[in-house]
Amino acid sequence: EDQVTQSPEALRLQEGESSSLNCSYTVSGLRGLFWYRQDPGKGPEFLFTLYSAGEEKEKERLKATLTKKESFLHITAPKPEDSATYLCAVQAMIGGNKLTFGTGTQLKVEL
Amino acid sequence: NAGVMQNPRHLVRRRGQEARLRCSPMKGHSHVYWYRQLPEEGLKFMVYLQKENIIDESGMPKERFSAEFPKEGPSILRIQQVVRGDSAAYFCASSPGHNYEQYFGPGTRLTVT
Repeated sequence: EDQVTQSPEALRLQEGESSSLNCSYTVSGLRGLFWYRQDPGKGPEFLFTLYSAGEEKEKERLKATLTKKESFLHITAPKPEDSATYLCAVQAMIGGNKLTFGTGTQLKVEL
Repeated sequence: NAGVMQNPRHLVRRRGQEARLRCSPMKGHSHVYWYRQLPEEGLKFMVYLQKENIIDESGMPKERFSAEFPKEGPSILRIQQVVRGDSAAYFCASSPGHNYEQYFGPGTRLTVT
């Protein structure tokens, strides 16, 4: 069974204090690893897809990286508006199109 | 370009009633997915549909839950005889095809009293 574990569960940063979120996964053949951002009371917002080990993608202050067993979401010089829950999900080669999600990292960035 | 639309945004039902949740995918998307998010838990896959076809329903409870995506109109997730344990946020996502990113709607928050 595919599994995704995210750590830490919660993270509090000062504005400008860079850090990384971790996503460990086990999957029977990875088709893709996805990062989403979810604000309270809203649906997940798509951020990145990574397909193979060594791949990296960037968007503003966020950079996602992928190895064979985990992915990192690096946040550089965060701002209060980066506060949200960040979700990681995997999609397997076999088993249809479904996403298997972790429980997320709740990030709070303070002034 | 409008995103995925879900209605109602909030739904309150008494135990034993039926709940109908609607999802209109993004323009140009023909693949729809339903996920459930229970309090303090992650998003769980329920069902994957294309127009008039259920492709994967491996995450659907065996009883009381059904889904459809007709040729015309929105996708519907139907829960019969709701129980308190069905209280959750239900999210719909859509994609333009197989193996594409899934874009999520704002969700329907179901409360069973």
